[in-house]
Amino acid sequence: QLRLQESGPGLVKPSETLSLTCSVSGGSISSTTYYWGWIRQPPGMGLEWIGSIYYRGSTSYNPSLESRVSISVDTSKNQFSLKINSVTVADTAVYYCARPATFCSGRLEAVFDLWGQGIPVTVSS
Amino acid sequence: DIVMTQSPDSLAVSLGEKATINCKSSQNVFHSANSKNYLAWYHQKPGQPPKLLISWASTRESGVPDRFSASGSGTDFTLTISSLQAEDVAVYYCQQYYRTPLTFGQGTNLEIK
Repeated sequence: QLRLQESGPGLVKPSETLSLTCSVSGGSISSTTYYWGWIRQPPGMGLEWIGSIYYRGSTSYNPSLESRVSISVDTSKNQFSLKINSVTVADTAVYYCARPATFCSGRLEAVFDLWGQGIPVTVSS
Repeated sequence: DIVMTQSPDSLAVSLGEKATINCKSSQNVFHSANSKNYLAWYHQKPGQPPKLLISWASTRESGVPDRFSASGSGTDFTLTISSLQAEDVAVYYCQQYYRTPLTFGQGTNLEIK
């Protein structure tokens, strides 16, 4: 059974770079034509799509974050990663990686039916 | 961006009663080429990731109880829980997947009265 697990530092200083990794287990990230996604949720607030990446490396980002965000994939490690530069307190959130539903295979515009447990990240000095 | 607006923000319903949550999109999310509405519903319980309940505006995901139903088209959508159970207490979100950026509603907090 496929599982997603986020990892990375839980505390990042303002102006530094937030780096998270999503490890995929129970299946190969490159065996399916999914756009794997990152979504975040500030404390007590709603959900914000950050961006998505195809296993071959093509990406799409939320324009609200595009100038600071980079998503990459490492098929040899079966994982994909998120970097957000120049973070501020507004980037404090729980960060989720997620897989689209099967019927969204090959589509960037997707719903997500498999999520990691989420990793809380606090931006603070 | 397509803005998703849910109402109400918070809702308290007695056990066994009906709960109704609304979602309005700022743009049409109906694709005439395949006659589908690109609208999904999730719920999220404390400390857990969101769970997909409904896709294509009205299609229940496998394993979702049939007390959950959804309807709507174009820009106006509704999620209904026919008989509220204690385990339905959660925050409910709608999401459009018509175009990127993918966007979610602000959430509706459903509680027991």
